[in-house]
Order: sequence, then C-alpha cells, then structure tokens
Amino acid sequence: SAVISQKPSRDICQRGTSLTIQCQVDSQVTMMFWYRQQPGQSLTLIATANQGSEATYESGFVIDKFPISRPNLTFSTLTVSNMSPEDSSIYLCSATRGAEAFFGQGTRLTVV
Amino acid sequence: KQEVTQIPAALSVPEGENLVLNCSFTDSAIYNLQWFRQDPGKGLTSLLLIQSSQREQTSGRLNASLDKSSGRSTLYIAASQPGDSATYLCAVHSFSNTGNQFYFGTGTSLTVIP
Repeated sequence: SAVISQKPSRDICQRGTSLTIQCQVDSQVTMMFWYRQQPGQSLTLIATANQGSEATYESGFVIDKFPISRPNLTFSTLTVSNMSPEDSSIYLCSATRGAEAFFGQGTRLTVV
Repeated sequence: KQEVTQIPAALSVPEGENLVLNCSFTDSAIYNLQWFRQDPGKGLTSLLLIQSSQREQTSGRLNASLDKSSGRSTLYIAASQPGDSATYLCAVHSFSNTGNQFYFGTGTSLTVIP
C-alpha cells in the first residue's frame, strides 16, 4: 500500500484568502487526484494532477479557483483561492499504484 | 457516465449481527471496484479491491463480491462490532472522457450498537 501524508489536517480561514494543501506520497505512484467532499455527501473529483504539466479539471472546477501543482511523482499541492463559505469541505488527496487507490487523511476546511 | 448507487444510506444493527451493504453501477466496463471505510471527518481507508476478472475478495470478517454483468457488488461484514461503525464507500474504477477515473457512491453510514 501507499502512505499518503496530507497537511494541514484542518484549518479555519477568512473569506477572500487562499489555502494551499500539500500531499506527499511515500513512493512513486501512477496518478494523483484531488477530491472535494461537502458535508454529508460523497466525493467529487476536482482534477487529476499531472506531473510537470497542467492538471486536468473536471466540469465545474477551474484552474483559477483551484490551482494544482505536481512537480514530481510523489508530491502535489492544491490551492483553494479566494475562499468563500461555500468552499467549506473536506479536501482529499488520492494516489493510485496500479489499479488500487489510496487516500490521505483529508483536510477539513472551514471558511468564515 | 458511470453512476454508482449505495443502498441503504444508513444502517443500524446490534453488535454481533452479520450485515450486507449494496453497491450498484450503471456501466459494466470497469477496471475494478474498491470498498473504503471513512470515519467522521477523516480520509478513506481501503478495505478490499476486486479486479474486474474476480468474483470476490475476503479480508478477515469482510467479504466483497462482484457481479460485473449485473452491475452489482456487496460488502458482507460478519459478526459486526462497535468499531465497525463508519461510512462505507464503494468506488468503481472506470473509463471517462478525461481518462480513467474513480466513481464513488454516496456511502452507507453504519452504526453498530453495543
């Protein structure tokens, strides 16, 4: 299995500010993803983090709001920009090795 | 687009009971199916991975089955314990317009009563 370290584990932020979430995997993985989980709901894919190139965003998510970096095979960041209370969610980093998916412990974000 | 449904949405059972969680998906062209456990406010912990060519996987008190042709999977938990209380998510690894993707169900919230 892959061990994924995600930080911060939680944060409370003021509206209009930005937060960068980091995701570190303990070994090389095939793909890395970022998900959002709003209260009481399942996971929604934000984007696939591509190494050395722009992330691939799902419908409803844009780079200006959620810029993503993946400078190497084991590290990625997601920034939540110009936050509003509607961005309050759990953000989850995921990685795949072969066919299996692994998840970080998530970042619980509250925007006030 | 793949759609994943989990039934029931919530389940409450007394300790020691055996139980079954259900997952259905609309497109049978899948790579694999994975069951996860999520504790409140936390990330996902992988429980079982079933490849598309497999019928079932077992780990301890957990058994997951897959019937790809009918688009169904079940997670069987034997002799449930209070520590099993969590949300269980089914994820289907499937094709998408942007490449391979995991599609998640909405989860079953399980409470095991001591």
